[in-house]
Amino acid sequence: RKEVEQDPGPFNVPEGATVAFNCTYSNSASQSFFWYRQDCRKEPKLLMSVYSSGNEDGRFTAQLNRASQYISLLIRDSKLSDSATYLCVVLQNTGNQFYFGTGTSLTVIP
Amino acid sequence: DVKVTQSSRYLVKRTGEKVFLECVQDMDHENMFWYRQDPGLGLRLIYFSYDVKMKEKGDIPEGYSVSREKKERFSLILESASTNQTSMYLCASSLPRLGPQHFGDGTRLSIL
Repeated sequence: RKEVEQDPGPFNVPEGATVAFNCTYSNSASQSFFWYRQDCRKEPKLLMSVYSSGNEDGRFTAQLNRASQYISLLIRDSKLSDSATYLCVVLQNTGNQFYFGTGTSLTVIP
Repeated sequence: DVKVTQSSRYLVKRTGEKVFLECVQDMDHENMFWYRQDPGLGLRLIYFSYDVKMKEKGDIPEGYSVSREKKERFSLILESASTNQTSMYLCASSLPRLGPQHFGDGTRLSIL
């Protein structure tokens, strides 16, 4: 079983739509969680960390559900510039190894 | 801002050559990582290092070695390059037990 699983998509949504991605993780001892954004042929860039109480950054909201072992990312009012691949990342309690999902592809259509 | 610099954006080498990929970070991070990324497979960890001269194998270390002589520099070595090592290579660094990771721009390596 993979450490981190994501729906690969693709998600094709119109501008202005709200879209949500989920990611599940297998190790209940996982301690830190992140969402990264990766543009085509570029490196992953940190979008936001995910905190236990949930957190928001502008149009982006991240949530963590430890009981069900999943994290989510909600994007409101989608922009064309949101088109990218979104990776969820989990840091386990050993503190040194990160586990990546394979990414969810999002295309925002005019 | 954290800056992770990889020595080359694009590199073309021949089968059997010894290839060196260099990575330097400027934030005094203890942890450094080398990944490769291939379509449909996501990021796969090759090696990581949590201190100078320390290294740990990741998921796919075969055919690779690493060197960390200074805290800021982590080198990936392809001992005898093969065509199946054609890939995007990404270096990252982080603080221990905290994250997040910060990535370099990546090196697109082609082995002919």
